[in-house]
Amino acid sequence: GAVVSQHPSRVICKSGTSVKIECRSLDFQATTMFWYRQFPKQSLMLMATSNEGSKATYEQGVEKDKFLINHASLTLSTLTVTSAHPEDSSFYICTSLLGNEQFFGPGTRLTVL
Amino acid sequence: KQEVTQIPAALSVPEGENLVLNCSFTDSAIYNLQWFRQDPGKGLTSLLLIQSSQREQTSGRLNASLDKSSGRSTLYIAASQPGDSATYLCAVAGDFGNEKLTFGTGTRLTIIP
Repeated sequence: GAVVSQHPSRVICKSGTSVKIECRSLDFQATTMFWYRQFPKQSLMLMATSNEGSKATYEQGVEKDKFLINHASLTLSTLTVTSAHPEDSSFYICTSLLGNEQFFGPGTRLTVL
Repeated sequence: KQEVTQIPAALSVPEGENLVLNCSFTDSAIYNLQWFRQDPGKGLTSLLLIQSSQREQTSGRLNASLDKSSGRSTLYIAASQPGDSATYLCAVAGDFGNEKLTFGTGTRLTIIP
């Protein structure tokens, strides 16, 4: 099956710093990747749709200048949380679209102190 | 706007029993529906994917049904085991070209040994 990796799996940072999360499709090319966020005891919410070679499409309420998405190649999308604050602490999950199915990365747990 | 609801929010059953988890969605114009399990602090594991043209999918002790016109899906788990304890999420994908997933609120399942 299609494999998607995320790095890092866990990160702790100080408030005000920036954190970059990588999402890679290991054995297939993905024109489209998605970034989701899951707060404790809540379900997943879509943050943005990442398209290779073009600007990401952000969902309502998600600040594009705070959550920078770059999809420079068909196998890599990055999410950078800029000037992180404690309320950004969450579980971030990326998916890669193959056909009409999304394949999930293992997630990155971000804790902002 | 698509809304996905799962009932019940939590369920506890003795080991060996059969059980049904429910998922409902407000917009029947979906591309597919997927069931996932999530263990505490972990990412998502895909269980079953049902295309919009299908009525059900089976994998081992799991059977998922889809009634697109009524906006409902069920996940049937036969002969439950303690290892089935997890949170189960359903998610629907929009039509072709809008494959982003809308997740349900989840059902936290506990199988009592």
